[in-house]
Amino acid sequence: GENVEQHPSTLSVQEGDSAVIKCTYSDSASNYFPWYKQELGKGPQLIIDIRSNVGEKKDQRIAVTLNKTAKHFSLHITETQPEDSAVYFCAASYNFGNEKLTFGTGTRLTIIP
Amino acid sequence: ETGVTQSPTHLIKTRGQQVTLRCSSQSGHNTVSWYQQALGQGPQFIFQYYREEENGRGNFPPRFSGLQFPNYSSELNVNALELDDSALYLCASSRTSGLRDTQYFGPGTRLTVL
Repeated sequence: GENVEQHPSTLSVQEGDSAVIKCTYSDSASNYFPWYKQELGKGPQLIIDIRSNVGEKKDQRIAVTLNKTAKHFSLHITETQPEDSAVYFCAASYNFGNEKLTFGTGTRLTIIP
Repeated sequence: ETGVTQSPTHLIKTRGQQVTLRCSSQSGHNTVSWYQQALGQGPQFIFQYYREEENGRGNFPPRFSGLQFPNYSSELNVNALELDDSALYLCASSRTSGLRDTQYFGPGTRLTVL
């Protein structure tokens, strides 16, 4: 089955700086890669996703890049703000998300004011 | 907010008991997936329901079972509770249509087994 590894487990950045979180996946059949943000006491919230036929996707301060050959994808957050502090999870899925999501272990991002 | 609701928000049970958790999917969504999230870990897939039938199952024992109703809402049942079942149980709904179908999560039910 699919295995997703995520690094780092914790990340602290100064407000206004950029943050990068990296994930690798094992199954080349995976074709859908969402990123979720989870705040304390809440369920995961989708922030951005990418399909395997796209190399990069951007939404305002958030971008995701995908390298299918190396089987890794990354989340980039620019101009970080205190409200970006949360736990971020990457995930991988077959069939463009119609099937189960395999999650990474999470990254606790802390933005230092 | 995603429009996915779960009940109850918190639950305390003792070992050996049975529990039922409920999920109402987002409007227009016909697929419900359940995940277990232990403290400090990523969610783990339990199973998915589509058209009232189980459509994929993760590595969980048969004492984890589910239902999906005609209005697409769903239940997760866990029998013979064990201490390790203590976790946040998440429901995610999506619309299976042959295209990319993002899963949107509810707030979860926090289950504590004593």
